[in-house]
Amino acid sequence: GESVGLHLPTLSVQEGDNSIINCAYSNSASDYFIWYKQESGKGPQFIIDIRSNMDKRQGQRVTVLLNKTVKHLSLQIAATQPGDSAVYFCAENTNSGYALNFGKGTSLLVTP
Amino acid sequence: SQTIHQWPATLVQPVGSPLSLECTVEGTSNPNLYWYRQAAGRGLQLLFYSVGIGQISSEVPQNLSASRPQDRQFILSSKKLLLSDSGFYLCAWSVNSGYNEQFFGPGTRLTVL
Repeated sequence: GESVGLHLPTLSVQEGDNSIINCAYSNSASDYFIWYKQESGKGPQFIIDIRSNMDKRQGQRVTVLLNKTVKHLSLQIAATQPGDSAVYFCAENTNSGYALNFGKGTSLLVTP
Repeated sequence: SQTIHQWPATLVQPVGSPLSLECTVEGTSNPNLYWYRQAAGRGLQLLFYSVGIGQISSEVPQNLSASRPQDRQFILSSKKLLLSDSGFYLCAWSVNSGYNEQFFGPGTRLTVL
């Protein structure tokens, strides 16, 4: 079936560097995407979203890029900080429009 | 502002015992409500969602059921727990219109022994 997945299960970066987390999706009908951050033992926290009529959206220190041609989504974190260490999930809306389909997650580790 | 609560935070139950997890949302009305399960080191699996009182949609067949007795209350239940029901259970809400982000509660860690 169609699904959302992540290219890299773990990513280690140095404090102050920029981080890029990638996500591939296979459902060409998906038109809404979200990035979540989940710290250990906590619920996922919304970071940023993007709709398919856009290819880039920026937030505070974060940027999401959407390439619909190759069905690829990325999250860029500028000047990565130790507090950014967490698991990051991308999610896309299902055909029903109600539920989100989550990928398996990428673990980001920020080293000093 | 909106807040979402889940309880209990952790739970250890024997196999075959019943389960009741509760989720409540404050600060909004007529939300969509969701139950997810997360296995260790894995992504989130949608179990149930609800678009209104008494309206429950099940995404996967399983040993669990859900109910929505009030607008902002969502309950996850089981009559007899299995070992495979262990996991991290997350409740979420979203605005009931169009495409909207889902906001998650703190989760319940369930261990079935």
